[in-house]
Amino acid sequence: GAGVSQSPSNKVTEKGKDVELRCDPISGHTALYWYRQSLGQGLEFLIYFQGNSAPDKSGLPSDRFSAERTGGSVSTLTIQRTQQEDSAVYLCASTPGQGGDTQYFGPGTRLTVL
Amino acid sequence: RKEVEQDPGPFNVPEGATVAFNCTYSNSASQSFFWYRQDCRKEPKLLMSVYSSGNEDGRFTAQLNRASQYISLLIRDSKLSDSATYLCVVNRGGTYKYIFGTGTRLKVLA
Repeated sequence: GAGVSQSPSNKVTEKGKDVELRCDPISGHTALYWYRQSLGQGLEFLIYFQGNSAPDKSGLPSDRFSAERTGGSVSTLTIQRTQQEDSAVYLCASTPGQGGDTQYFGPGTRLTVL
Repeated sequence: RKEVEQDPGPFNVPEGATVAFNCTYSNSASQSFFWYRQDCRKEPKLLMSVYSSGNEDGRFTAQLNRASQYISLLIRDSKLSDSATYLCVVNRGGTYKYIFGTGTRLKVLA
């Protein structure tokens, strides 16, 4: 079946602009995660959605970052007033929903802020 | 101290060699453990889950040592295509929290 998909695959933007990144999880997966990976670094947790529960936003680095998940499926990560330090690969993952399940990752969006 | 720690490497090994990586974790409530493989500029992909009894998949063997709080990955008969970064991932006690190590880089040399 289809895996996790993300769009765009690459995004180049100018400092100060807003960007939206999209994630389509695997059908039926109730849990969705956003991570950020800077060059040569590990994965940094950003936000977690589970069904209709309130999301865990504890990993969002600043109030310029926000995310939503509509209808329990597609998620959008928005970065306002982008800064150069926001340049990274943004990865989305989904799991069926049970704690301890395997995470399945999308191909990521490579964001470059000039 | 990081909750999940890995030796960053790189481990440079010749083709056909056996190589082993360890990953230590500090939270004793951790329940599920995974090894992921990440190729350059690609997303992490599941290599194998790690079970209490240990498990093997072809040339790959994973072990869990709860007493010493580490997991290991053994790769036998290394191939050039095994060159990648291997990420250790730990799930906290059946919760939704997954903690990632920073990865161990492996280079298999011809």
